[in-house]
Amino acid sequence: DGGITQSPKYLFRKEGQNVTLSCEQNLNHDAMYWYRQDPGQGLRLIYYSQIVNDFQKGDIAEGYSVSREKKESFPLTVTSAQKNPTAFYLCASSDSGSKETQYFGPGTRLLVL
Amino acid sequence: GNSVTQMEGPVTLSEEAFLTINCTYTATGYPSLFWYVQYPGEGLQLLLKATKADDKGSNKGFEATYRKETTSFHLEKGSVQVSDSAVYFCALGTSYGKLTFGQGTILTVHP
Repeated sequence: DGGITQSPKYLFRKEGQNVTLSCEQNLNHDAMYWYRQDPGQGLRLIYYSQIVNDFQKGDIAEGYSVSREKKESFPLTVTSAQKNPTAFYLCASSDSGSKETQYFGPGTRLLVL
Repeated sequence: GNSVTQMEGPVTLSEEAFLTINCTYTATGYPSLFWYVQYPGEGLQLLLKATKADDKGSNKGFEATYRKETTSFHLEKGSVQVSDSAVYFCALGTSYGKLTFGQGTILTVHP
């Protein structure tokens, strides 16, 4: 089955620690995205990548970093500079022929200890 | 810039009731419009979409029509079920891939 996988489902971060969230897709999509969801709010774009080895900041990139070394993988690192990291993180991907139609993974919930 | 406004929730209905969730947008150019659904603890699933004015998207009994004159994309279903309980997001998408989401509307359907 084609789809997007995110791991882990739950992640705990200690103060001052960097953590990395995994996102893998086997849909052969060129573009991948990371969103943050806070309670009662819509999704906000953190970073996106249209092709391998290229990525752009979204609306709330501060305190986050990404890499895109492989087409199928787009990991997100939440750095210690992100002072309010507790949220639900969603990864998505889209085909180059229909970039605006995005398909989402199941999400990772990040909690701060 | 682009923006999406959804009706405030939560919305609570009895099974078999008629559902409307309002969505209006502000955008430059000719965006595509989407409804996504999120079940508890899960990611978003694409429910339906429309890519140009007067298009009607439909799926699983849900419908929405792209109304350029009123800049709206209201979601409707004639008879809701308990299993439709979820959070519904309206979104606007551009050709370069950026999605702008509304704040989401919580729907609860009681038996």
